[in-house]
Amino acid sequence: DAGVTQSPTHLIKTRGQQVTLRCSPKSGHDTVSWYQQALGQGPQFIFQYYEEEERQRGNFPDRFSGHQFPNYSSELNVNALLLGDSALYLCASSRRGRDTEAFFGQGTRLTVV
Amino acid sequence: QKEVEQDPGPLSVPEGAIVSLNCTYSNSAFQYFMWYRQYSRKGPELLMYTYSSGNKEDGRFTAQVDKSSKYISLFIRDSQPSDSATYLCARRGSSASKIIFGSGTRLSIRP
Repeated sequence: DAGVTQSPTHLIKTRGQQVTLRCSPKSGHDTVSWYQQALGQGPQFIFQYYEEEERQRGNFPDRFSGHQFPNYSSELNVNALLLGDSALYLCASSRRGRDTEAFFGQGTRLTVV
Repeated sequence: QKEVEQDPGPLSVPEGAIVSLNCTYSNSAFQYFMWYRQYSRKGPELLMYTYSSGNKEDGRFTAQVDKSSKYISLFIRDSQPSDSATYLCARRGSSASKIIFGSGTRLSIRP
């Protein structure tokens, strides 16, 4: 079992650009959540996808959007990148209703210059 | 006030010591309390979770929740250098899916 896989592992973008991050959930999981972790901070919830729909959203602007595909994999898109968007982006997968037992990927390190 | 407060450390203890990590939370509606371990450049790994209050033990790790004082603790017995990591406490409400994390405590176990 490969667990939760994220790609790419590292990314450098310029202010104003757009970025897409990808996540494949653990086998048997149907729910994907995205988190942003700034340096020295705990992860912050961005949103959760289940059945290809956004089910819950944290306090993030509309520049952050996502998508879930029929195979449960997911993408996180960030438009008009700001320097403050530099962070580790984490994907977590779980079975529906079992969010307490979510498994995290190793993350994508995004640097905005 | 943050929903989950955690001392960032760093905390350094000798190998074999008992480690105590603590968090406080502000919302009494929280039902699930979790502890994650995060090694450098890795994603968080769930260590254990408790529902409501009380103790839960798993090997060298014990999680404790005191709802009257809104206090969450993780104890590590016989600490090992491999326990050196950042420890994140977290909570989840009974109806909400999102997990709210503390800022993490950096722990170092000296051989």
